[in-house]
Amino acid sequence: QSVLTQPPSVSGAPGQRVTISCTGGASNIGAGFEVHWYQQLPGTSPKLLIYDSSNRPSGVPDRFSGSKSGTSASLAIIGLQAEDEADYYCQSYDNSLSVQYVFGTGTKVTVL
Amino acid sequence: QVQLQESGPGLVKPSQTLSLTCIVSGGSISRGGDYWSWIRQQPGKGLEWIGYIYYTGSTYYNPSLKSRVTISVDTSKNQFSLRLSSVTAADTAVYYCASKPFNNHRHWFDPWGQGALVTVSS
Repeated sequence: QSVLTQPPSVSGAPGQRVTISCTGGASNIGAGFEVHWYQQLPGTSPKLLIYDSSNRPSGVPDRFSGSKSGTSASLAIIGLQAEDEADYYCQSYDNSLSVQYVFGTGTKVTVL
Repeated sequence: QVQLQESGPGLVKPSQTLSLTCIVSGGSISRGGDYWSWIRQQPGKGLEWIGYIYYTGSTYYNPSLKSRVTISVDTSKNQFSLRLSSVTAADTAVYYCASKPFNNHRHWFDPWGQGALVTVSS
């Protein structure tokens, strides 16, 4: 029941910039709720990558950056590295009558 | 930062009840700064929030699962648990426990446990 839409996959060569979009609606991102991003390396659990749309937890490399505008958000990886190959999920809060915490459909990042 | 570890049966029969426990280490479950959460990931699919509990026992559930979900906390054992009744094959998933800040303006989940795969099959 993903409410936030992401592209299924993006790819890039090492050193390139890739961007992942996350599109929501009026009851979540459009309502002003922040967006959070998670990185899920193969065979592992999701790890918080960006919180409150643009903040990096301690230990997250600064090549990861996030932004939000209107009903959408974006995650950028600047200077793609082989170890960035993973699934990425956005997440936000939803104030509709349905589920409170909504996740994106997920994006597979492939390093060429 | 606390560490979370899920445990429980990896195989559950259809119509039975799925039960998982999340052990919290490196901090007290009663410290007051966390909503203790359950999230699942069905095979090849995205993430779905199941619900969470505060150490006092207050719970909040995903409306789509609410009729079948019970989350409880045992502060003496520093753990919290998930029960999902009347399971079907659609409940086959990796179940994660995670922490969400006890703050109505902080809606992220961190950290997460390693996950427990539960298969529903006869």
